[in-house]
Amino acid sequence: DAMVIQNPRYQVTQFGKPVTLSCSQTLNHNVMYWYQQKSSQAPKLLFHYYDKDFNNEADTPDNFQSRRPNTSFCFLDIRSPGLGDAAMYLCATNLGTVLGGKLFFGSGTQLSVL
Amino acid sequence: ILNVEQSPQSLHVQEGDSTNFTCSFPSSNFYALHWYRWETAKSPEALFVMTLNGDEKKKGRISATLNTKEGYSYLYIKGSQPEDSATYLCAFIADSNYQLIWGAGTKLIIKP
Repeated sequence: DAMVIQNPRYQVTQFGKPVTLSCSQTLNHNVMYWYQQKSSQAPKLLFHYYDKDFNNEADTPDNFQSRRPNTSFCFLDIRSPGLGDAAMYLCATNLGTVLGGKLFFGSGTQLSVL
Repeated sequence: ILNVEQSPQSLHVQEGDSTNFTCSFPSSNFYALHWYRWETAKSPEALFVMTLNGDEKKKGRISATLNTKEGYSYLYIKGSQPEDSATYLCAFIADSNYQLIWGAGTKLIIKP
């Protein structure tokens, strides 16, 4: 089945140690999103790609970077994780040609920072 | 700043009872409203995409209504079952930039 896959499901890193989260999709959607979600809070959009065009939210810290080497894959790099970066990270996709179209999500990566 | 509020934050419901909860959003610049269900350890899944004032959508025992003029949507679950336990998220889309503005969700727990 076509889907959005995130690995790993759980990631533990040390304070200040770089970490990369990955997302892949078989839907051939041209838009990919990275969200950060902390408990009982609304998902916070970090950035999104429309094809290769990168769009960074104004309040996304410089500590967070992203790469999209091809349509199928997108990576979230956290250069120096702090304790405040512990959260669920969700990847999502949609067909950008449909304005306001529904998102297809991965099951998320729960990041812990020790 | 556009704000989306969901209430209640959490809800315990006895199995078999019906329930509903609310998503409030700006009443101007409306383009669409989404509802998602997020079960533990699974992917959030779209339930409804609603675009017209007065819309009513239904999927099995779950239905939703939309009032864009007053800025709210209700999600109803009839005859709650344990598998309905999840966090229900809504997202508002404005016609200014078509980005999703999320609520914090309502966490629903069904008690057997």
